[in-house]
Amino acid sequence: AQSVAQPEDQVNVAEGNPLTVKCTYSVSGNPYLFWYVQYPNRGLQFLLKYITGDNLVKGSYGFEAEFNKSQTSFHLKKPSALVSDSALYFCAVLDSNYQLIWGAGTKLIIKP
Amino acid sequence: EAQVTQNPRYLITVTGKKLTVTCSQNMNHEYMSWYRQDPGLGLRQIYYSMNVEVTDKGDVPEGYKVSRKEKRNFPLILESPSPNQTSLYFCASVGESTGELFFGEGSRLTVL
Repeated sequence: AQSVAQPEDQVNVAEGNPLTVKCTYSVSGNPYLFWYVQYPNRGLQFLLKYITGDNLVKGSYGFEAEFNKSQTSFHLKKPSALVSDSALYFCAVLDSNYQLIWGAGTKLIIKP
Repeated sequence: EAQVTQNPRYLITVTGKKLTVTCSQNMNHEYMSWYRQDPGLGLRQIYYSMNVEVTDKGDVPEGYKVSRKEKRNFPLILESPSPNQTSLYFCASVGESTGELFFGEGSRLTVL
């Protein structure tokens, strides 16, 4: 079955440290992968996507994600976390019917 | 400015009282979708529409109706709301060339 897993409900990082939010997927064929961010009381906003090409994808707000085909992962990263990065992060994959399958979300907390 | 607009943003209602949540997008997108977001469950798709007069069920369609009479609007209808429909609802449209979803700000619905 096609699925997306975000194994951590919450990630805590000190400001200035690097952060990683994990995502693994299971989908047939070549995956189209997305990261979205939801700030408190707001709708989701697009961060970045992987369709094809370079495995390291750069997105908004200094975020990047690395596509690893052998590990079926698409982890979100940032070299130096900001308190304003605190939000809910969702990973998603486009399935063979062109429907998005969503992870359950990971709450990222950046402490000053 | 590219926008997806939902109304109302907040609503408290009682069991059985019909309500409609409106959604409008100004990007001429063909694909639109409704999601509900519940703690620990992430985003679940309710209904989607590939184009005018074309709608289809998502993962959790029970208790909901939609219509797509014109491209820009995609209202969500709760004919007889029940407390288990208390949730945060998001409308989204998709840029066909990028696959990116554009989300509304969300509608928080409480059914008493």
